[in-house]
This record gives sequence, structure tokens and C-alpha cells, in this order.
Amino acid sequence: EVQLVESGGGLVQPGGSLRLSCAASGFTFSSYEMNWVRQAPGKGLEWVSYISSSGSIIYYADSVKGRFTISRDDAKKSLYLEMNSLSAEDTAIYYCVRGGRAAMVPLDFWGQGTLVSVSS
Amino acid sequence: DIQMTQSPSSLSASVGDRVTITCQASQDISNYLNWYQQKPGQAPKLLLYDASNLETGVPSRFTGSGSGTDFTFTISSLQPEDIATYYCQQYDNLPYSFGQGTKLEIK
Repeated sequence: EVQLVESGGGLVQPGGSLRLSCAASGFTFSSYEMNWVRQAPGKGLEWVSYISSSGSIIYYADSVKGRFTISRDDAKKSLYLEMNSLSAEDTAIYYCVRGGRAAMVPLDFWGQGTLVSVSS
Repeated sequence: DIQMTQSPSSLSASVGDRVTITCQASQDISNYLNWYQQKPGQAPKLLLYDASNLETGVPSRFTGSGSGTDFTFTISSLQPEDIATYYCQQYDNLPYSFGQGTKLEIK
């Protein structure tokens, strides 16, 4: 059974940092592109970041470029998102999402998400 | 960057109705389009990929069509459990982008 389990969310002050993790199981993690997608309270979905299966290709949304860093550890079957200089606009549920255009079924499986709240 | 314009933003329909949502891309995305269903408090669930391919386990009342810039999502006969918000998403080019969502309610 495919599972993606996010962790690391919580309450952080403006300007602070947080590191999200996504533990994958039930599939060959190293073969898949991975993404982070977020959803602010009561709002729509916003794609945040992408990393290729090799880790050599990385993309970010303009809204997080220069502040967020995506990475992966295939040995640990884990995806990460390092978030710095957080502001209230970063408050959202962050989802780990499997796959990209190269996958048989792109962006097919989502974790349950982890909530990041930025507030003083 | 590719912009996705989804309409309507909200929709009220009766059980058994045929429901249609449209999604327009700002440039040609071929058929690189997903449709998702999101119920309150849950993660999005993939319904259709490559614009018209039904994901495993998804009821056949959900269909999708289109290519290039114009896409359509249809529920042939609305069921009470279909109440949710629906999103289109393009994966032709990074950054991947979503439509604004369509909130579907029962009349």
C-alpha cells in the first residue's frame, strides 16, 4: 500500500524556520519525482516545489524561491522541505505528492498533509 | 508560466443532474491535465489523468475530455457523495499549476 506521511509542521513565529519531512512507503521511492503542494486555510491548491527522481532537477514556485529548499534521501525513502524566513502567507497545509510528468500516472498520490502556522 | 482558468467557481445541482466544469490553459498543454476531487478535511484525490483517463477505482460517471487549451470535466449523474471541490491541474510544464477550484453543492 502506498503511503506518504508528512511531519514537522507546527506553529512558528514570522521570520522563523521549519523543516518538513515526508516518509514514503509501498513503492520504489527512488524512481519517482516528488512535489510539495500547499493549501492555505479556505483557499485553493498551490504547487510549491518539485524534485526529479535523481535529485538533479529542482523547481520552486516564485512565492517561495530563495526561502525554501527541497531535498530527498532515497536511502531513507524521505522527502524534505526546509522553509526559512516564514511569513503569515506561508500558513497552510503542506502536502507531499508523488510523481511528475514522467510518471505513468502523474501526481497521483497525496499524503494527508502537515499544518504550518506562522503567527506571533 | 501556465495559468489555468477554471469555471464556474461554484455550482449547485440536484442529485441525478449532469454536471460540467471547464478548465482553460493559457497555452497549449496537450493532454497533460489532471482532475482532482477534494472533500473537506481530506487530501485531494486524483480522478482523471492525461485529461481523460480514469484513475483506478474511480466511478465511470466521472469523465474528462479536451486537449490543447480547453478541457471539460463531467459527472454524468450527480450523487450525494460527489459533493466536494474539484480542481484541474496542468503538468505539461513546471511550475505545475492548478485551477482555482469549483465548489459543488447539492441543490
